[in-house]
This record gives sequence, structure tokens and C-alpha cells, in this order.
Amino acid sequence: AQSVAQPEDQVNVAEGNPLTVKCTYSVSGNPYLFWYVQYPNRGLQFLLKYITGDNLVKGSYGFEAEFNKSQTSFHLKKPSALVSDSALYFCAVRDMGGGSNYKLTFGKGTLLTVNP
Amino acid sequence: KAGVTQTPRYLIKTRGQQVTLSCSPISGHRSVSWYQQTPGQGLQFLFEYFSETQRNKGNFPGRFSGRQFSNSRSEMNVSTLELGDSALYLCASSLQGSANTEAFFGQGTRLTVV
Repeated sequence: AQSVAQPEDQVNVAEGNPLTVKCTYSVSGNPYLFWYVQYPNRGLQFLLKYITGDNLVKGSYGFEAEFNKSQTSFHLKKPSALVSDSALYFCAVRDMGGGSNYKLTFGKGTLLTVNP
Repeated sequence: KAGVTQTPRYLIKTRGQQVTLSCSPISGHRSVSWYQQTPGQGLQFLFEYFSETQRNKGNFPGRFSGRQFSNSRSEMNVSTLELGDSALYLCASSLQGSANTEAFFGQGTRLTVV
């Protein structure tokens, strides 16, 4: 079974500082990894994904994520946080070896607050 | 290109009633998935449809059902509503539903059961 852990329910960072939102995963095969962001009363918005290749993935709005196979992690990062980045962030995984299992398994989410 | 459209945005129903939620995927997308989001359980997978066939189902009771039409539009139905069914129901579409493709989400339907 596939699973995702986001160890921090909340992350607070000052505007202009770098931010990191942590994610670890567990799959039986190789993973496909995704980050989504959710603003209040809205659906989920896709940020970036790791499929294969370069371990550093760049996505929307200046976000990037680093895939680390040995640590089974896929942390989301941004060099300089903006107040408008404040939102709920979800990490998700699909198991590449999951056969007909097409579902995304999500972490519990991390609430990011960027303080002015 | 229009995004994923879910209707209605808000619903209030009484226990024991049934409800139908609708999802129109992005044009050309053939895979539609449904998720339930609650503060306690987070995002949980309900089911996924591709070309009118249910390909995968989550761990929800049989009161939760869905279908997909030939134009890829999808509906989910919840019968005999319980208070615990109050949640944000999210629909997501993707081109082929392949494991390596991202899903695009609608804004959701907020269901309140009283």
C-alpha cells in the first residue's frame, strides 16, 4: 500500500525567507510524486511533479521540490516566500508499479503561513 | 480552456436524503476521479472513471456510487445521507488517467448534512 506523511501540520516563515514543506512517502515500487496547493474554499491546484530524471523539479510560482530516493522524501521548497504563498499544501503519490491503481494518495496537508 | 466544473458549489441536505453531484472535466480529458475532503480524514479517494468504466474504487460504503457518461461528464451519488458525509467533494480530471500525469481539480461541492 502507498502512503504519504507530511510531518508538520503548520509551517510559519517570514516573507522573503526560504521555505520548506516536508513530505515522505512509502510505495512498493517506484513513485510518481506530486505537490498541490489549496487556497480557502477552493479546489487543489497542481504545482509540480516528479516522474523520473533530475531529482530537482521546478514548478509553478517559483516552487521546486527535491526527490531523494534513499530518504524517500520529496520536500517542497521556495527560495523567497511571499505572503500570497500562505495556503494548505498537499503532497501526493502514485505507485508506478501499482497496476490498475490510478488513485492519488495524499498526505494530511501542511498549512503554510507567511508573515509580512 | 475551461477548467473542471463542479455543480452545485454548495448543498444542504437532511439525513436520510440522497444527493447527486456533477462534474464536467476539462475538454478532452477522459479520466475523472472523485475525492472526499474532511478536516479529520483529509483527502480520501472515492473512485475513478475512464471511458465510462470504473477502474478503481476507494474504501467507502456502497451508499457512494458514481458513473461517467459518453461525454466524460461524471456524477456521484450518495444515498441515505449521514451526518458524517458532510464534506468537500472534489472532482479531478486528467487526459488519460495515466499514473504519471497530473490531475486537475474542480473547486468542489460543499455538502452539509443536517
